[in-house]
Amino acid sequence: DVKVTQSSRYLVKRTGEKVFLECVQDMDHENMFWYRQDPGLGLRLIYFSYDVKMKEKGDIPEGYSVSREKKERFSLILESASTNQTSMYLCATGPLMETQYFGPGTRLLVL
Amino acid sequence: KQEVTQIPAALSVPEGENLVLNCSFTDSAIYNLQWFRQDPGKGLTSLLLIQSSQREQTSGRLNASLDKSSGRSTLYIAASQPGDSATYLCAVVETGANNLFFGTGTRLTVIP
Repeated sequence: DVKVTQSSRYLVKRTGEKVFLECVQDMDHENMFWYRQDPGLGLRLIYFSYDVKMKEKGDIPEGYSVSREKKERFSLILESASTNQTSMYLCATGPLMETQYFGPGTRLLVL
Repeated sequence: KQEVTQIPAALSVPEGENLVLNCSFTDSAIYNLQWFRQDPGKGLTSLLLIQSSQREQTSGRLNASLDKSSGRSTLYIAASQPGDSATYLCAVVETGANNLFFGTGTRLTVIP
């Protein structure tokens, strides 16, 4: 059974903290994606990776960075968390021509 | 830039009713279109994937159609059940793009 896991379901952080969100997939997919989801704005792409150590900016990369040291793991890093980064963060994986698989999401609150 | 629109934003129907959800996109040069379901506070689950060369896909009580030339897709749900209550999102992959473009979803409530 396909599995995409995210390190936390809920996180509460303080402004200025460095935040790590991790995503792990067991499908040996090359593509991995990080989205954030906000009411009224839908899902917006932050970063994606098509191979180990490769990364590409999405639509809203400002304030974020990513790391892909192993094929199965894709990390999203908030260098200095701000309140406008309070959101639902969703990781996805899968070839673009095929079904996309999503993790359960991490709801981040930055105080 | 590709824009994906879903109307209505919310829909309530009585149990047993057949219903149609709509998705429109501005650029018809797409590889595929995918319909997802999202339960509150959860991730997305893929329901149906339609390749650009296909006109429809079916899975159980769900049927999705694609009219690429007019930039439209519909998701038909037959004999709706309370368990169908969720937000339904559509997403397209543009030709030459590296990611999906999502609509903002339709929140469906099926009333017992």
